[in-house]
Amino acid sequence: DAGITQSPRHKVTETGTPVTLRCHQTENHRYMYWYRQDPGHGLRLIHYSYGVKDTDKGEVSDGYSVSRSKTEDFLLTLESATSSQTSVYFCAIKARLAGEFAQSGEQFFGPGTRLTVL
Amino acid sequence: KNQVEQSPQSLIILEGKNCTLQCNYTVSPFSNLRWYKQDTGRGPVSLTIMTFSENTKSNGRYTATLDADTKQSSLHITASQLSDSASYICVVTPSGGSYIPTFGRGTSLIVHP
Repeated sequence: DAGITQSPRHKVTETGTPVTLRCHQTENHRYMYWYRQDPGHGLRLIHYSYGVKDTDKGEVSDGYSVSRSKTEDFLLTLESATSSQTSVYFCAIKARLAGEFAQSGEQFFGPGTRLTVL
Repeated sequence: KNQVEQSPQSLIILEGKNCTLQCNYTVSPFSNLRWYKQDTGRGPVSLTIMTFSENTKSNGRYTATLDADTKQSSLHITASQLSDSASYICVVTPSGGSYIPTFGRGTSLIVHP
């Protein structure tokens, strides 16, 4: 898993409660990403970070916020969870590659967090 | 809008048989195309990566092909094994900008003994 851990791995919560998911990496990668994965959809980007305190929105960012105060940690927060946010959440990092892939790099994914909002 | 379409949605084959998964994309300009394997309950793991100038790349029993002119790729699995049962995801990264990749919905492969 390229030194990526996610916590918690499973969570059940109730509608309206705040939830924070944590992604931790040990290899000092600059780029980190949060995706959600739902049946019938590909992985969809929620937010990403290109450095400490530098973040940007993805295609499904509504209802989510992120923070990155240290290189190794990228937090995803659901301020007030809704049932539509029941999903599997994956964190990813982008590792630098040599040669022609140097610009685009390659993404490595964490093990995922399964979130259920009742 | 950049899109990646995969077919079939699901596939069932017998152990030892070969199979081919398809990926069509509209991402342009194009930097690279990857195939990922995702086992149930786990994160995706990269199988192959190709630039627009490559037309084939192998990783053991997995062989990916790319036709950048028609914007099509395929993943061929030879002599399938039970452990090949997984979802296979095609991912295309644009050239330039933030290099945010576009993911296909995946093909679910089940290999029966």
